[in-house]
Amino acid sequence: QLVLTQSPSASASLGASVKLTCTLSSGHSSYAIAWHQQQPEKGPRYLMKVYSDGSHNKGDGIPDRFSGSSSGAERYLTISSLQSEDEADYYCQTSATGSVIFGGGTKLTVL
Amino acid sequence: QVRLQESGPGLVKPSETLSLTCTVSAGSISSYQWSWIRQSPGKGLEWIGYYSYSGSSNYNPSLKSRVTVSLDTSKTQFSLKLTSVTDADTAVYYCARALPGGYNLWYFDWWGQGTLVTVSS
Repeated sequence: QLVLTQSPSASASLGASVKLTCTLSSGHSSYAIAWHQQQPEKGPRYLMKVYSDGSHNKGDGIPDRFSGSSSGAERYLTISSLQSEDEADYYCQTSATGSVIFGGGTKLTVL
Repeated sequence: QVRLQESGPGLVKPSETLSLTCTVSAGSISSYQWSWIRQSPGKGLEWIGYYSYSGSSNYNPSLKSRVTVSLDTSKTQFSLKLTSVTDADTAVYYCARALPGGYNLWYFDWWGQGTLVTVSS
């Protein structure tokens, strides 16, 4: 069964970097995923796609501070030079055989 | 820039049918995959289902018996119907467009702002 696992919370200081992780379930380590950001009281916004080879493609207007990478079954979202507006929930998402799966989301706190 | 806007009643009675419409501006609705996603208060995102430009549809197995997503290309709209609602269906409902991302992936590149639907008598 395809499952995406995310840590419920993360925190980092203003101006620092943070790396969020999305782990694919066993047997699905080759799958690509997408990252979405949801700021408080707003709808989600697409950030990027991340592939198993570590490459990523960002959406239009997404700052260079956001990047993606991979290792095995893990897909990462790294945010550098953290700003206050980066405080948000981050969801990974994938699909297979016509179904769509979301991770549980990581709440990022900027200290 | 593609814009999606959800509309429909904000209050639905238990056992009745929830009906929402998503209006798409800019771009063709006769391509891509059009989905509904919801978020219960304080919870994460839950995919409900999609209707594809190819005419196919697919739904979350947990909701499949109660859900229909349809497309009206003449109005550049797509719709959600969820029957026999209960308190557990209270959520913010989002519409979104999905593109093929290669390999296994269909990903949501544009989202609506969401609309809160409360199920209550």
